[in-house]
Amino acid sequence: GAGVSQSPRYKVTKRGQDVALRCDPISGHVSLYWYRQALGQGPEFLTYFNYEAQQDKSGLPNDRFSAERPEGSISTLTIQRTEQRDSAMYRCASSFPEGLNTGELFFGEGSRLTVL
Amino acid sequence: QKEVEQNSGPLSVPEGAIASLNCTYSDRGSQSFFWYRQYSGKSPELIMSIYSNGDKEDGRFTAQLNKASQYVSLLIRDSQPSDSATYLCAVRSQGNLIFGKGTKLSVKP
Repeated sequence: GAGVSQSPRYKVTKRGQDVALRCDPISGHVSLYWYRQALGQGPEFLTYFNYEAQQDKSGLPNDRFSAERPEGSISTLTIQRTEQRDSAMYRCASSFPEGLNTGELFFGEGSRLTVL
Repeated sequence: QKEVEQNSGPLSVPEGAIASLNCTYSDRGSQSFFWYRQYSGKSPELIMSIYSNGDKEDGRFTAQLNKASQYVSLLIRDSQPSDSATYLCAVRSQGNLIFGKGTKLSVKP
């Protein structure tokens, strides 16, 4: 596609429910990143993939958070048993492989999660 | 813990002035450094990248890097009200890209 596409754009859920956030990167971009951004803060790194391989998941806050990218394209970030503190904007970004590019990440519009 | 530190501001400058934004980072092995701009309610977008010590100029923007001091800065000359945004410093460290909390810049007409 023309840009990074994220869905849903807005998600309101009740505490304890599971949520899945989807990211469709720019065609040809093999690296895909997930960030979380609280209001007034910078993006907080969660995890990233090269193709289907999860390269670094050190930013995932706890084991309720997981991500996958089974075919090296679309990725899903799953949050199990959501808590109010999980409320934030979740941003996906894609890029060419780190060794071949300027380091530019192209961000999607984000998925705003609200946990009641 | 790899960290990128920025003064959160807000930094207020008059139109036409030079805005100076600063950033320090903790990982001495970092090799790539970036400045992203984020307008309110929008996604971050890349405005400058720098990889070696010294200055890099692009139009009204100049990025400066001092690896010995682990310091990156961004100068915006002839600041315009349209430059009002949050500026995010980002450092590539072992593959992933770590962002600072951002400095909010306000350019007053």
